[in-house]
Amino acid sequence: SQQGEEDPQALSIQEGENATMNCSYKTSINNLQWYRQNSGRGLVHLILIRSNEREKHSGRLRVTLDTSKKSSSLLITASRAADTASYFCATGLIQGAQKLVFGQGTRLTINP
Amino acid sequence: ETGVTQTPRHLVMGMTNKKSLKCEQHLGHNAMYWYKQSAKKPLELMFVYNFKEQTENNSVPSRFSPECPNSSHLFLHLHTLQPEDSALYLCASSRGQFSGANVLTFGAGSRLTVL
Repeated sequence: SQQGEEDPQALSIQEGENATMNCSYKTSINNLQWYRQNSGRGLVHLILIRSNEREKHSGRLRVTLDTSKKSSSLLITASRAADTASYFCATGLIQGAQKLVFGQGTRLTINP
Repeated sequence: ETGVTQTPRHLVMGMTNKKSLKCEQHLGHNAMYWYKQSAKKPLELMFVYNFKEQTENNSVPSRFSPECPNSSHLFLHLHTLQPEDSALYLCASSRGQFSGANVLTFGAGSRLTVL
């Protein structure tokens, strides 16, 4: 079954506004990562948060992790047209060889 | 562009053709992955190689045949594919599958269309 599920599936906002995307997962994790994908291209790693961390920042990105609720959120502040892309969460499982399980993604559109 | 190069970027093939996708990484990584991305579906992990040894085969049909001659190169050999195999095939690499938190570096993908 699918491990990570992003919400919403699609989000459209005006440039300059903040964008928040959520991710829920089912099993215990070692870490959670967010990736970005421009249309028809490969994914690019944005940020990683470990299971013992609650919040992490990188530039205009802020990620939170709530392991009790098995959820994470990605906040992009002061959005720009160039932030238009799909955003995926990926969970790194605790047991076994590390492999990332991706969600279906949130399609973010920033309107100028 | 990202240290992981995939060729060809676009491929159109008939159901009876045999073709191969190639992936090369210049990052010194030891693990390489094939993912399949279809419309409206999550990324599907297909194969994982760690130090040239296959460590994951996610119940992939035998018409997809991976090959990893060394830690820098990964191939996906394709034969007698079906139209539903049309998708974006993404190659990725990481330091190693057992090296703790596993951050992947992806290639730009090979867009496959099966007629």
